[in-house]
Amino acid sequence: NAGVTQTPKFRVLKTGQSMTLLCAQDMNHEYMYWYRQDPGMGLRLIHYSVGEGTTAKGEVPDGYNVSRLKKQNFLLGLESAAPSQTSVYFCARSLYGQPQHFGDGTRLSIL
Amino acid sequence: GQNIDQPTEMTATEGAIVQINCTYQTSGFNGLFWYQQHAGEAPTFLSYNVLDGLEEKGRFSSFLSRSKGYSYLLLKELQMKDSASYLCAVRDRTDKLIFGTGTRLQVFP
Repeated sequence: NAGVTQTPKFRVLKTGQSMTLLCAQDMNHEYMYWYRQDPGMGLRLIHYSVGEGTTAKGEVPDGYNVSRLKKQNFLLGLESAAPSQTSVYFCARSLYGQPQHFGDGTRLSIL
Repeated sequence: GQNIDQPTEMTATEGAIVQINCTYQTSGFNGLFWYQQHAGEAPTFLSYNVLDGLEEKGRFSSFLSRSKGYSYLLLKELQMKDSASYLCAVRDRTDKLIFGTGTRLQVFP
């Protein structure tokens, strides 16, 4: 898993429910990212972090929040899940200027 | 705007050579990455180009022309296990990766 562990691996939610996806890295890298991957759309950046205590918006941030309280962990929250958020979510880590390395993904279905 | 184009699907025969092209228009350029993604799995890093020219890694090579906004990934001696999606991604001036939609390669015996 390239030193990136995502939990849970699968989840089914009802519309309006909330949940948090956890990403944990064991490499002490500064940069962490959350992407979503949908058929025909490629990977799209939701939020990212350049260090502990910092977060920034990516391409598709609406409906999501993130936190990076500890350097090793990057949490992605869905406040009120919508069917449009059905997707595969990938977390990645990197050093500045270096390739990103991805976790195995979380498959999320919202009914 | 930001735009990365690559073919949606390609097919090839085991043992052959295949070239996957990627063209890009992005706000700034700080390098181009190729990733491999098997169905249901995570993307894995294959290669990185920041200067013009060819980078070779075993059976895989990647080429970059910054003036043309063009890259290709060359896979030689194709094996069945090379059946996967290949993602082209450009790092823009803010150090974020912009991904193409990926090229699904099917290798037949």
